[in-house]
Amino acid sequence: AQSVTQLDSHVSVSEGTPVLLRCNYSSSYSPSLFWYVQHPNKGLQLLLKYTSAATLVKGINGFEAEFKKSETSFHLTKPSAHMSDAAEYFCVVSDVGRSQGNLIFGKGTKLSVKP
Amino acid sequence: GAVVSQHPSRVICKSGTSVKIECRSLDFQATTMFWYRQFPKQSLMLMATSNEGSKATYEQGVEKDKFLINHASLTLSTLTVTSAHPEDSSFYICSAGDARAPQYFGPGTRLLVL
Repeated sequence: AQSVTQLDSHVSVSEGTPVLLRCNYSSSYSPSLFWYVQHPNKGLQLLLKYTSAATLVKGINGFEAEFKKSETSFHLTKPSAHMSDAAEYFCVVSDVGRSQGNLIFGKGTKLSVKP
Repeated sequence: GAVVSQHPSRVICKSGTSVKIECRSLDFQATTMFWYRQFPKQSLMLMATSNEGSKATYEQGVEKDKFLINHASLTLSTLTVTSAHPEDSSFYICSAGDARAPQYFGPGTRLLVL
């Protein structure tokens, strides 16, 4: 069975400082992993995805994530936070080879950015 | 990237009425669409998988007679909440996918049942 754990429900950083949002997963198969961002009262936007290619994945808005199989982690990072990064972030896992419908969402991490 | 729209974006209805939410893929054909529900400050929970031209597949615990899903074409799926009650108030999000990429999500529909 698949699962995903976002280790922090809330992360607060100052503008211009690095962002680290942690995610651990479990999967019986080679997983596909995603990070989505949700701004208040808005839909989900795909930040980046890992699908068994390069382990360091670069996404939009300066975000990147590194797939570490030995640690079963897929942490999201950004070197310098902007005020506009304040949002809810979801780590998502999906089985490769299955119907792409079965996305398992983490509980989300709310990112606050202080001026 | 692909675009998925939802209509309406928000709806308020009286208890006992039915509400229909539309999900459209605007620039690609989606044989499969998905409906999620998101409670306040919680994650998304998959409700059902909607397949064009066939019956939807519901997740465990989701009442198929209450949440009617129709996927009449490759670009449109509808979710009808029948005989809505206040506990059905939630944020409903659809998504659509194709062979190229992960699911694209709609902007969501906020339902408030009074």
